[in-house]
Amino acid sequence: GAVVSQHPSRVICKSGTSVKIECRSLDFQATTMFWYRQFPKQSLMLMATSNEGSKATYEQGVEKDKFLINHASLTLSTLTVTSAHPEDSSFYICSAPRTGMNTEAFFGQGTRLTVV
Amino acid sequence: GENVEQHPSTLSVQEGDSAVIKCTYSDSASNYFPWYKQELGKRPQLIIDIRSNVGEKKDQRIAVTLNKTAKHFSLHITETQPEDSAVYFCAASPGGAAGNKLTFGGGTRVLVKP
Repeated sequence: GAVVSQHPSRVICKSGTSVKIECRSLDFQATTMFWYRQFPKQSLMLMATSNEGSKATYEQGVEKDKFLINHASLTLSTLTVTSAHPEDSSFYICSAPRTGMNTEAFFGQGTRLTVV
Repeated sequence: GENVEQHPSTLSVQEGDSAVIKCTYSDSASNYFPWYKQELGKRPQLIIDIRSNVGEKKDQRIAVTLNKTAKHFSLHITETQPEDSAVYFCAASPGGAAGNKLTFGGGTRVLVKP
């Protein structure tokens, strides 16, 4: 199957700092990528849709100025958590659909963010 | 927007027994329904999916059924094994131009007891 790589897998940062998470589609082009957040023992909640060459679309309640998304190429989307706080600690995971007859979504490995 | 409800939240079964997880969705425009298995700290892994033009799909010990009229779909795992223990998520997507914008159910923690 297709491969989506997410980096870093784990990061610890201090409150007030920013963290950038990368999501790459390694063997296919992705004009759209999705960013999800998953709190412990909870489901995946869609944060935003990343669109190559245009602005991201954010879900209701997600602060666009706090969670900056950039999709500058057909294989890379980045999520930057700005001015991180302990409540931003979570598992962040991206997915990229491989469109066509089979629109299966391929997930990155996820990033465990801990803000101290 | 779409809302997906999943039940039960936890399920404990004896090895060899069957497990059934049920989901309902609200948006009649949804036409793609994948099921994911997630182990602790790992990415969700697609185990089976179904599209709205079929009512049932089977892959070895796993099967999924879809009732479009009632807007519900179910996952059936037969002859469960300890390695089936994980959290399972159902999801729904309108597919098409939305390119797999998935709305997930709340998850079911499955424990298969040896």
